[in-house]
Amino acid sequence: DVKVTQSSRYLVKRTGEKVFLECVQDMDHENMFWYRQDPGLGLRLIYFSYDVKMKEKGDIPEGYSVSREKKERFSLILESASTNQTSMYLCASSFHSPRTQYFGPGTRLTVL
Amino acid sequence: GNSVTQMEGPVTLSEEAFLTINCTYTATGYPSLFWYVQYPGEGLQLLLKATKADDKGSNKGFEATYRKETTSFHLEKGSVQVSDSAVYFCALISQGAQKLVFGQGTRLTINP
Repeated sequence: DVKVTQSSRYLVKRTGEKVFLECVQDMDHENMFWYRQDPGLGLRLIYFSYDVKMKEKGDIPEGYSVSREKKERFSLILESASTNQTSMYLCASSFHSPRTQYFGPGTRLTVL
Repeated sequence: GNSVTQMEGPVTLSEEAFLTINCTYTATGYPSLFWYVQYPGEGLQLLLKATKADDKGSNKGFEATYRKETTSFHLEKGSVQVSDSAVYFCALISQGAQKLVFGQGTRLTINP
């Protein structure tokens, strides 16, 4: 079974803090993705990566950065957390082909 | 651009009722189509998929058929259970792309 794990299920941070969300997959997938999920807005893509050290902006990259130094790990970074970044963050991974994405359990981040 | 439209929720049914959640899409070429399910407090799980016209995806009693002529991928189940209560997302990946395009999700509640 494909396993995508995220470093925390719940996280509480203060405004202005630097926040790291980690995602690890064990299936040697080339692609990795970060989404945020908000009520009424569905899932929105923040960033994705199709190879080590490669990244592309998704639909809402502002306020976020990412890092992919190893194939199995994709980190989402909030340089200076703000209250409007309170959300559920979901990581996913896939092969280039087939492109079925597999999701982690999510991190519910609250910024106070 | 590519888009997915799902029937608006919430949907509330009694146990053993027949379920249909409508999904239509707009995309060029021949996208792959997916249904994901999100149980309370969890990430998304792949429920079923179809990669070409007239394919039927099935899993856990759920079915969906890729209808090119009506650009639809409706989710059906003959007899729902309380444990099927969740949010259901229809999604597509267009040809040559690596990113999923999601519908807005449909919340399903099954009462005993």
